[in-house]
Amino acid sequence: KAGVTQTPRYLIKTRGQQVTLSCSPISGHRSVSWYQQTPGQGLQFLFEYFSETQRNKGNFPGRFSGRQFSNSRSEMNVSTLELGDSALYLCASSGTSGPHEEETQYFGPGTRLLVL
Amino acid sequence: AQKVTQAQTEISVVEKEDVTLDCVYETRDTTYYLFWYKQPPSGELVFLIRRNSFDEQNEISGRYSWNFQKSTSSFNFTITASQVVDSAVYFCALSELAYSGAGSYQLTFGKGTKLSVIP
Repeated sequence: KAGVTQTPRYLIKTRGQQVTLSCSPISGHRSVSWYQQTPGQGLQFLFEYFSETQRNKGNFPGRFSGRQFSNSRSEMNVSTLELGDSALYLCASSGTSGPHEEETQYFGPGTRLLVL
Repeated sequence: AQKVTQAQTEISVVEKEDVTLDCVYETRDTTYYLFWYKQPPSGELVFLIRRNSFDEQNEISGRYSWNFQKSTSSFNFTITASQVVDSAVYFCALSELAYSGAGSYQLTFGKGTKLSVIP
């Protein structure tokens, strides 16, 4: 099976702009989660989608949003970018096809966002 | 709230040495899952091992082994006969069902331990 894919891999934006990141989960996986990784805060949970519905959300401002499509692909959007949004954004998917698959998240390569 | 602590920030070992990465967690739930992930310089988090809270049996998988002790809330990970390719940042993570949604699992990560294996 192909793994989780994320596009683009690298992105440079300026303050005030908005950005959209894309994630394609492992085939058959319906849950997609997003995480932000920064040197200062480490890995932090953003949100989780399942069957096009947001089931859980982390402690991030409303500038961070996401959605999931009927094919389980997901996008996250960050509006009005700030310098502190520079980070590695990781997407993970999980499935329900086997034991413990629902609890295990498989990660993509991430999108490195630099805000200037 | 759940918390994961990896006290070792960086570790350096010489190739072929064994190395143990420490992880201590806090949770109020009785059902939870523990994971170790590896992050090479490329950035992708690679799933290594998983253990649920009901199974304290320690196992060995190739060069990897883990020691899960509920009494001390620890989930330590050992690499035997380390290799240069093991150089990476290793994350311990705790997964619990989110209170907000049925079936939604959220990972809480430690700060990571950077392992350098010197040839």
